[in-house]
Amino acid sequence: RKEVEQDPGPFNVPEGATVAFNCTYSNSASQSFFWYRQDCRKEPKLLMSVYSSGNEDGRFTAQLNRASQYISLLIRDSKLSDSATYLCVVPDMDTGRRALTFGSGTRLQVQP
Amino acid sequence: GAVVSQHPSWVICKSGTSVKIECRSLDFQATTMFWYRQFPKQSLMLMATSNEGSKATYEQGVEKDKFLINHASLTLSTLTVTSAHPEDSSFYICSVFFGEQYFGPGTRLTVT
Repeated sequence: RKEVEQDPGPFNVPEGATVAFNCTYSNSASQSFFWYRQDCRKEPKLLMSVYSSGNEDGRFTAQLNRASQYISLLIRDSKLSDSATYLCVVPDMDTGRRALTFGSGTRLQVQP
Repeated sequence: GAVVSQHPSWVICKSGTSVKIECRSLDFQATTMFWYRQFPKQSLMLMATSNEGSKATYEQGVEKDKFLINHASLTLSTLTVTSAHPEDSSFYICSVFFGEQYFGPGTRLTVT
């Protein structure tokens, strides 16, 4: 089983739609989680951090279910500018390394 | 905020040659830097951890003699791809952890 697994993409949605991405992780000891956004040929950018049950920032909501080892990202009122690949990310559990394990990403295409 | 730079941003080289990629932490000193690789349509994969003043730690499957890492100062880590092959063509990204992960803009390598 992969350490971090995500919904296969791409998701093609109209502007204004609500879309949700799912992610499962294998290491039950993981304490923190992140959603990153990556535009084509660019570095990933931090979108949201998730440390407890969830986090909300404007149109974006992340939820964590530790029992199911499941994280979700909900985007409401999608904008054209939301088109990107969304990466579910879990920190490497080795002490002090601070490296990240990335999911394969879910591509979102918001259409006018 | 913290800024990480990479140079060059893109490079094309011929098979068999070597290419050096620089990663600089501009705002703070970093004893550890991370090198990731991203093949087309795939996610980022950690290649190695660069340690200032000591040997780099490589992930399983990454050839240390092919991907030479030098972390000679607290602000600079270099990745040298030796005897490059077309299959080494990829997007190479470095990162530094300082409270959160800061990524460089990436270097796109094409080996012809």
